Amino acid sequence: GQSLEQPSEVTAVEGAIVQINCTYQTSGFYGLSWYQQHDGGAPTFLSYNGLDGLEETGRFSSFLSRSDSYGYLLLQELQMKDSASYFCAVRDNKTGRRALTFGSGTRLQVQP
Amino acid sequence: ETGVTQSPTHLIKTRGQQVTLRCSSQSGHNTVSWYQQALGQGPQFIFQYYREEENGRGNFPPRFSGLQFPNYSSELNVNALELDDSALYLCASSQLTSGADTQYFGPGTRLTVL
Repeated sequence: GQSLEQPSEVTAVEGAIVQINCTYQTSGFYGLSWYQQHDGGAPTFLSYNGLDGLEETGRFSSFLSRSDSYGYLLLQELQMKDSASYFCAVRDNKTGRRALTFGSGTRLQVQP
Repeated sequence: ETGVTQSPTHLIKTRGQQVTLRCSSQSGHNTVSWYQQALGQGPQFIFQYYREEENGRGNFPPRFSGLQFPNYSSELNVNALELDDSALYLCASSQLTSGADTQYFGPGTRLTVL
C-alpha cells in the first residue's frame, strides 16, 4: 500500500519561513505533489517533484529526496492568507493512472 | 477557460437513501477522479473515469458507482447511504495524455447523512 506522514499542525508568524515535511511509503514512485486547501475550499495544486532536488515557484519551494522517501514544502515570507491545510500526495499506481494518495494534511496557522 | 464545477454544494440525506452528485470537468480535460474527504483528513480516492470507462478504483464498496459522459462531465452515485458517508465529495479533472500529474479540483459537495 501507500502511506504518507506529515505533521498535523504548524504555527508561524507573518513574514517568517516554515517547512512542512512529508515522508512516504509507496510500492512505485511517480513523484510527490503538494496541494493547498483553505477552509471550505477546494484543494489547489502548488508544486510537483518528480526528481530529487528543489523546485521553486515564487514564495513556495518544494524539495524531494527519493533515497530518503522524504520531501518538504517551504513557504517563505508568510502571509496571513497562507493559513490553510497543506497536503502532500503521491500518485496511486495501484488503482489507476493520475489518481493521488494524500497525506492527512498539515494545518498551518499564520499569526500576526 | 471554465474551471471544475460541482452540484449541489450541500446535501442532506437520511440513512438508506441514494444520492447522485454531479461534476463538470475543466475544458479540455478527459479524465475525472472522485475523492471523499472526511473532516480533518486528506482526500481519499474513490474512482477515476477516462473516456467514459472506469480507470481505477480505490477501497470503496460497490454501492459507490459513477458515470462519465461524452462531454466529460461525471456523476457519483452512492446507494444505501450510511452515516459514515457524511463527507465532502470532490471531483478533480485532468488531462491523462499530458505529462503532468496536476489535478484540478472542484469546490466539492458537502453530504450529510442523518
